[in-house]
Amino acid sequence: DAKTTQPPSMDCAEGRAANLPCNHSTISGNEYVYWYRQIHSQGPQYIIHGLKNNETNEMASLIITEDRKSSTLILPHATLRDTAVYYCIVRVSNAGNMLTFGGGTRLMVKP
Amino acid sequence: EAGVAQSPRYKIIEKRQSVAFWCNPISGHATLYWYQQILGQGPKLLIQFQNNGVVDDSQLPKDRFSAERLKGVDSTLKIQPAKLEDSAVYLCASSLERVSYEQYFGPGTRLTVT
Repeated sequence: DAKTTQPPSMDCAEGRAANLPCNHSTISGNEYVYWYRQIHSQGPQYIIHGLKNNETNEMASLIITEDRKSSTLILPHATLRDTAVYYCIVRVSNAGNMLTFGGGTRLMVKP
Repeated sequence: EAGVAQSPRYKIIEKRQSVAFWCNPISGHATLYWYQQILGQGPKLLIQFQNNGVVDDSQLPKDRFSAERLKGVDSTLKIQPAKLEDSAVYLCASSLERVSYEQYFGPGTRLTVT
């Protein structure tokens, strides 16, 4: 699986959009971008995933650049409950479903 | 829908003792995973089961760790004997199939080895 690079920490004001970047410059054509988050003392939670098109669900939006070398997870209206570690993971969809987690970005949403 | 259940939530043992963790996946989920998460790091896969068979255990320290999934439902992870560096959160996850895009994680068991 391709390696990802994320900033170790970010702050965001409550009610504002949180934009979390991820660099995956060595991504292959058959690798998807996945985002999970882990709230303190809980297990990771799936957020969203995509291949090349932008994706949106009830939790977030995923913007993937045209060259697919980077992506941004957008939480449109961050709340205090969105404070968590956010993991960007790149993997082949049928690679046994194994997830390889990096260090993630610790997002702190402040009132 | 009930989530992934794990027990105990916390465990403190002395080094060289043994310990076991239990996981009950979401009903109907064929694939089950055990991850180890050391403080400040992301989770690392230890072992993956498909029904009651092992798919991947390449990162499981087999000299001290063992896992089983009898009858393809519940699973237990055992450490014997424990070392100080085994202090971590042990997470269990399940997915409907191996190619499912979403894994569902339990709350984890926090192990402290003294």
